[in-house]
Amino acid sequence: EVQLVQSGAEVKKPGESLKISCKGSGYSFTNYWIGWVRQMPGKGLEWMGIIYPGNSDTRYSPSFQGQVTISADRSISTAYLQWSSLKASDTAIYYCARHANYGLVDCWGQGALVTVSA
Amino acid sequence: QSVLTQPPSVSAAPGQKVTISCSGNSSNIGNNYVAWYKQVPGTAPKLLIYDNDKRPSGIPDRFSGSKSGTSATLGITGLQTGDEADYYCGTWDSSLSAGVFGGGTKMTVL
Repeated sequence: EVQLVQSGAEVKKPGESLKISCKGSGYSFTNYWIGWVRQMPGKGLEWMGIIYPGNSDTRYSPSFQGQVTISADRSISTAYLQWSSLKASDTAIYYCARHANYGLVDCWGQGALVTVSA
Repeated sequence: QSVLTQPPSVSAAPGQKVTISCSGNSSNIGNNYVAWYKQVPGTAPKLLIYDNDKRPSGIPDRFSGSKSGTSATLGITGLQTGDEADYYCGTWDSSLSAGVFGGGTKMTVL
């Protein structure tokens, strides 16, 4: 069974850094794009970016380019989403998303709530 | 403002049929496959339709998808209370080189 298990909820202050994770299992981690989708409180889904763990090729939405960093460690089948300096507007649920191909998410993680508040 | 346009809400009675539209342009829907996702509030989204009109294993044939030009449609027949959820369309945008979603449609079973 394909599974994506994300790290837990986080509470941070503005300006702090954060790295959340997503561990894939039940499939060949290096052969699928994996990425992140943001959902702000009460709002819709926003595609952030993807990485191909096989060669670390990474694509970002223009809206998120330079704001976050997506990475992966194929030795432990884990993808990451990282911020260097959080803002209150980063408060959201972040879903890990396996992509069967560009633009098609065929498996979702359970979501991780990130709260940024002074 | 989402790249893909969906109606904010739709509703219908149990047993009836409902359709949800998703409008884009030639950079996204016009030249790429469309997927549909169902999200029950408080849970992660789930894939409902892929490649415009295909259903993953376990998705009943009450759910259907179609695409024409730069628009796509999700159809749900025999509505059940368990179908109440938010529905999103998604695809790739070749100009943005990024995935895009619609703004979501809240579906209510009256």
